[in-house]
Amino acid sequence: NAGVTQTPKFQVLKTGQSMTLQCAQDMNHNSMYWYRQDPGMGLRLIYYSASEGTTDKGEVPNGYNVSRLNKREFSLRLESAAPSQTSVYFCASSEATVPETQYFGPGTRLLVL
Amino acid sequence: AQSVAQPEDQVNVAEGNPLTVKCTYSVSGNPYLFWYVQYPNRGLQFLLKYITGDNLVKGSYGFEAEFNKSQTSFHLKKPSALVSDSALYFCAVRDYSGGSYIPTFGRGTSLIVHP
Repeated sequence: NAGVTQTPKFQVLKTGQSMTLQCAQDMNHNSMYWYRQDPGMGLRLIYYSASEGTTDKGEVPNGYNVSRLNKREFSLRLESAAPSQTSVYFCASSEATVPETQYFGPGTRLLVL
Repeated sequence: AQSVAQPEDQVNVAEGNPLTVKCTYSVSGNPYLFWYVQYPNRGLQFLLKYITGDNLVKGSYGFEAEFNKSQTSFHLKKPSALVSDSALYFCAVRDYSGGSYIPTFGRGTSLIVHP
């Protein structure tokens, strides 16, 4: 059981470049989430997917898009990266949105120059 | 709207001493409360949660937390700190009564346990 996996672990982008962060879970969870973590800001929700086929905006969705490819996979896309998107990105999953424990991936460290 | 506050950016404690990491919350209804721990260069790991019932919740690695409704607090405690407890701790709250069931996380408290 790998839990929640994320790729890549680290990425450097130039301003304006695009990339997709991949997330997969093998726990048969219904809900998946993307967060960003910045110093002094804690975790902020970017997007979430309550169940396969649905996605919703979180607190800071601007500049991002998501795809719930299937029950296992939830990807985050940066269409035109900006330095303000330099952050550590975490994917998480839970069995349902209410009120279940979340399981987090190891994170993707993104640097936008 | 729900919110959570962790008033201390950093907590320092000597090994073997008791530790407390503070958390206060605000919700319109009944709260679901969580504590997570993050070790360096790792994702968050679940420690414990309060849903209903006994106000004292026991979790992983000897941690416990006390739900206090009148003070809207959910402080994390451990009777005897270990150096290996040094990490970043996050409190999170979900509002049971309606609206978004998505949790709101605090900014985190860095716990440093000195040998």
